[in-house]
Amino acid sequence: SQTIHQWPATLVQPVGSPLSLECTVEGTSNPNLYWYRQAAGRGLQLLFYSVGIGQISSEVPQNLSASRPQDRQFILSSKKLLLSDSGFYLCAWKSTYDSPLHFGNGTRLTVT
Amino acid sequence: EDQVTQSPEALRLQEGESSSLNCSYTVSGLRGLFWYRQDPGKGPEFLFTLYSAGEEKEKERLKATLTKKESFLHITAPKPEDSATYLCAVPAGTGANSKLTFGKGITLSVRP
Repeated sequence: SQTIHQWPATLVQPVGSPLSLECTVEGTSNPNLYWYRQAAGRGLQLLFYSVGIGQISSEVPQNLSASRPQDRQFILSSKKLLLSDSGFYLCAWKSTYDSPLHFGNGTRLTVT
Repeated sequence: EDQVTQSPEALRLQEGESSSLNCSYTVSGLRGLFWYRQDPGKGPEFLFTLYSAGEEKEKERLKATLTKKESFLHITAPKPEDSATYLCAVPAGTGANSKLTFGKGITLSVRP
């Protein structure tokens, strides 16, 4: 069966520090991978998605970037965090274009 | 523009008090509607996919239905463990660029 791992679960970082969140998927090959951010009262906002190694599409301009160095690995990064980067970050995968998304358990990021 | 609207924003029920959650959508050529359950501090958990008007899916106390403009998640005789946020989503875009557009969710609280 397929599983998705996302870490860390919680993170507190000072403004201006770098960020690296990692997500890996097991039990499937060539998944579509996604990074979402969830803010209270604002729903799920798609940040990045990837349909293959090295292929990244950005949905909104922001202080973040994503990379996919391996087929089942997706990384969310920032060189310098802003207060507004605080939120709940979710990684997700799906196998085909219109199949359901499957989410990791998220990372709660607090920028102080 | 594809849109997903959920109502009410929050719902408080007494244990055993049945009710329905609404998800209305505007999308060109529906290719599925997805329901998720999200517990606090966790990623959304996939519940159902509905593909065509008239279709119904059931899981324990939950039943999802679909019309041409909206979907309902019926909760029969809820229990406190049904308390969670329920999200619906529809695919937007085509092919490899297909992404899910989510509603803001309905927070359900079931009192014992």
